[in-house]
Amino acid sequence: DAGITQSPRHKVTETGTPVTLRCHQTENHRYMYWYRQDPGHGLRLIHYSYGVKDTDKGEVSDGYSVSRSKTEDFLLTLESATSSQTSVYFCAISDRLISGANVLTFGAGSRLTVL
Amino acid sequence: SQQGEEDPQALSIQEGENATMNCSYKTSINNLQWYRQNSGRGLVHLILIRSNEREKHSGRLRVTLDTSKKSSSLLITASRAADTASYFCATDAIAGRRALTFGSGTRLQVQP
Repeated sequence: DAGITQSPRHKVTETGTPVTLRCHQTENHRYMYWYRQDPGHGLRLIHYSYGVKDTDKGEVSDGYSVSRSKTEDFLLTLESATSSQTSVYFCAISDRLISGANVLTFGAGSRLTVL
Repeated sequence: SQQGEEDPQALSIQEGENATMNCSYKTSINNLQWYRQNSGRGLVHLILIRSNEREKHSGRLRVTLDTSKKSSSLLITASRAADTASYFCATDAIAGRRALTFGSGTRLQVQP
């Protein structure tokens, strides 16, 4: 997990409250991703960023927004948390220009419980 | 929907045996990757195979790719208890989002 940190690592919140998860990288990688992991579903892409202020939706983006105001930080916001958003959230980074392929480095994950 | 689907969902073997996991996918790809996840941790990249490659080795890992069948397999030889983890295939599609699509994973248990 070197070079990429997620915060908070654990959070319990109530339905209807806003939640922001932070991903911070020190690798200066261009691409950053947010995935969620649920039993039986593997990892599903929520949003990703291909540069500062450049973001795009993934397959499960409803109810989530993201922001990337600087290279090192990628924020995931749940505007009004629901129980269906209880999950483990993973941030990942990559730099295709260096590796020539989209190889991801993952953070340790943020476990979110919405009561 | 999942681009990659893994088979089996769970696998239990004895130390020293080989473990084989399979992955099927749906669209044309640039490459296919395998990742490992230990319990409670993030995923770690294991190996990448490009669409023009048929087989690749890395230590005790052997990956094959059949683009005509849209399938891949990961073989772990002489497994160890420390190989106990979940294994995921991920595809880098030619078209669409600039992001990997992951399968649902295979849980491997290696009994000492």
